[in-house]
Amino acid sequence: GAGVSQSPRYKVAKRGQDVALRCDPISGHVSLFWYQQALGQGPEFLTYFQNEAQLDKSGLPSDRFFAERPEGSVSTLKIQRTQQEDSAVYLCASSLGGSSYEQYFGPGTRLTVT
Amino acid sequence: RKEVEQDPGPFNVPEGATVAFNCTYSNSASQSFFWYRQDCRKEPKLLMSVYSSGNEDGRFTAQLNRASQYISLLIRDSKLSDSATYLCVVNNRNQGGKLIFGQGTELSVKP
Repeated sequence: GAGVSQSPRYKVAKRGQDVALRCDPISGHVSLFWYQQALGQGPEFLTYFQNEAQLDKSGLPSDRFFAERPEGSVSTLKIQRTQQEDSAVYLCASSLGGSSYEQYFGPGTRLTVT
Repeated sequence: RKEVEQDPGPFNVPEGATVAFNCTYSNSASQSFFWYRQDCRKEPKLLMSVYSSGNEDGRFTAQLNRASQYISLLIRDSKLSDSATYLCVVNNRNQGGKLIFGQGTELSVKP
């Protein structure tokens, strides 16, 4: 079956530009997570949705980062006024719900800010 | 200090070797424990969950010591295809499904 998909797979942005990253979770998965992975590091949690409700956004590094999941399915992570330190791979994961269920990761969007 | 700490490696081993990875976590409220595998430029994938009683899946054995807040992964008879980064992951009580990853340990198995 279809896994988690993300688009675009690669994005180059000039410093100061806004970007929008899309995640299509596995159909029926209630929980959706965004992680940021810098080169040579493990993924770091950004934010978490249960259906359309954003239950935890404690990992968002600044108010330039904003995520939404308005209909409880597709999610968008938006970064305003990108900075070089935003360069990373942004991973989306979905699960059936709760901490007992395996999270399935998408292939990620590699963002490079020049 | 990071909440989950791993030796970043790289570990370079010959085929057939046994290799062990260690991980420590600092939050005593950690509830669930996992090893994920991540191939170069790919997404992380669950390798195995880790239980207090220890668990084995073929050539892979995972152990958890809650008292020492220590997790291990043992790979026996390593294969070329085991080359990847191994991520130690925890989930904390009352934090929903949020996963906390270690830095990852890189393994390279050579012929």
